[in-house]
Amino acid sequence: DSGVTQTPKHLITATGQRVTLRCSPRSGDLSVYWYQQSLDQGLQFLIQYYNGEERAKGNILERFSAQQFPDLHSELNLSSLELGDSALYFCASSVATGSAQYFGPGTRLTVL
Amino acid sequence: AQSVTQLDSQVPVFEEAPVELRCNYSSSVSVYLFWYVQYPNQGLQLLLKYLSGSTLVKGINGFEAEFNKSQTSFHLRKPSVHISDTAEYFCAVSGIRGGSEKLVFGKGTKLTVNP
Repeated sequence: DSGVTQTPKHLITATGQRVTLRCSPRSGDLSVYWYQQSLDQGLQFLIQYYNGEERAKGNILERFSAQQFPDLHSELNLSSLELGDSALYFCASSVATGSAQYFGPGTRLTVL
Repeated sequence: AQSVTQLDSQVPVFEEAPVELRCNYSSSVSVYLFWYVQYPNQGLQLLLKYLSGSTLVKGINGFEAEFNKSQTSFHLRKPSVHISDTAEYFCAVSGIRGGSEKLVFGKGTKLTVNP
């Protein structure tokens, strides 16, 4: 158990819908990262927050957004969902620069 | 920008045999290096990391890796594998600079340990 929690574990929804994925980092970790894992793209970095502020953006679509709240948990919002958004979404956290990232169990999103 | 190449997509081995999973990276800046393992239907578990210091890094479950700066490699090794080591292994790199330490992953190597 990494100490990073993600909910829900599975999510099945329809095209055009909007969903919210939630992540709680390890106690004391200020950075939260979101990654997408799909068969064709592999593991791709989406976005990073550090202590409530956006730190870096990767291959994140405009239909996707995220935020980190004062209690340091983070939410990833996916809207206008398409079939191709079906993937595993991972959250990771780290304590500081130069430290390892610890991953949550992931949320498996299926868009029908 | 960084990139990672895992040279083998699948590696089959017999139980108690040694194994090496190869990883090469490309970066214009100094890097941190990591190996993660993913068991079926699970998240990513950190196996080991190279941040600085000794180039030979020991991790969990008897794995070790060696950082070779001149060859830009970070190969993962285990002297004797078990059936329970069957999983997918990912090499990852992050650039050392102030701010984001996003991970760039390789495409993964599926290790299958046969009895």
